[in-house]
Amino acid sequence: EPEVTQTPSHQVTQMGQEVILRCVPISNHLYFYWYRQILGQKVEFLVSFYNNEISEKSEIFDDQFSVERPDGSNFTLKIRSTKLEDSAMYFCASSVKGAITEAFFGQGTRLTVV
Amino acid sequence: AQTVTQSQPEMSVQEAETVTLSCTYDTSESNYYLFWYKQPPSRQMILVIRQEAYKQQNATENRFSVNFQKAAKSFSLKISDSQLGDTAMYFCAFMKVMNYGGSQGNLIFGKGTKLSVKP
Repeated sequence: EPEVTQTPSHQVTQMGQEVILRCVPISNHLYFYWYRQILGQKVEFLVSFYNNEISEKSEIFDDQFSVERPDGSNFTLKIRSTKLEDSAMYFCASSVKGAITEAFFGQGTRLTVV
Repeated sequence: AQTVTQSQPEMSVQEAETVTLSCTYDTSESNYYLFWYKQPPSRQMILVIRQEAYKQQNATENRFSVNFQKAAKSFSLKISDSQLGDTAMYFCAFMKVMNYGGSQGNLIFGKGTKLSVKP
């Protein structure tokens, strides 16, 4: 069964460092998303991406964040200068169309900023 | 702005019994989707069931069914014949439908209900 794959599963980084979280969406999917879940809190939408551009973003997705689909298969989330409060589980998701259809989630990357 | 509220942080149920998880939401939108996602300890979120707001009939997927009360803005999940593998966090989520009939995929989640199925 096709699945969304995220790497790494856990990343530890020092405050102020740049970090890139990687995702391989399902191959025929056209819409891509990043969500995050701070420990013990609810899952929050960060950004959606379609046709090589951001289609929607939340207030959380400030200038420190960027997304890219560099090679047609990977979908990356970059945090330019990490802060302690960026520590969270980051989920990538993809869907065939605008997410009226099912959004498939990856297993998440746990980011720990120290 | 839309909000989703899950008032039960934790619940437990005996294997083979039935449990209902509550979810309420607030929106001024008339057309939207509601979802229940399951997040087992492996952390990958899995779609359990989806309800389209314009459909009056409650969605059903095998042992999972919903009670969708649009006027009350309530969307509860019933799990029948609970199994040990149902142990997970369950998230209720809302997504509005854009004017063109599509969606940007901005799921708004509740805080989740941790369900434990006991043998």
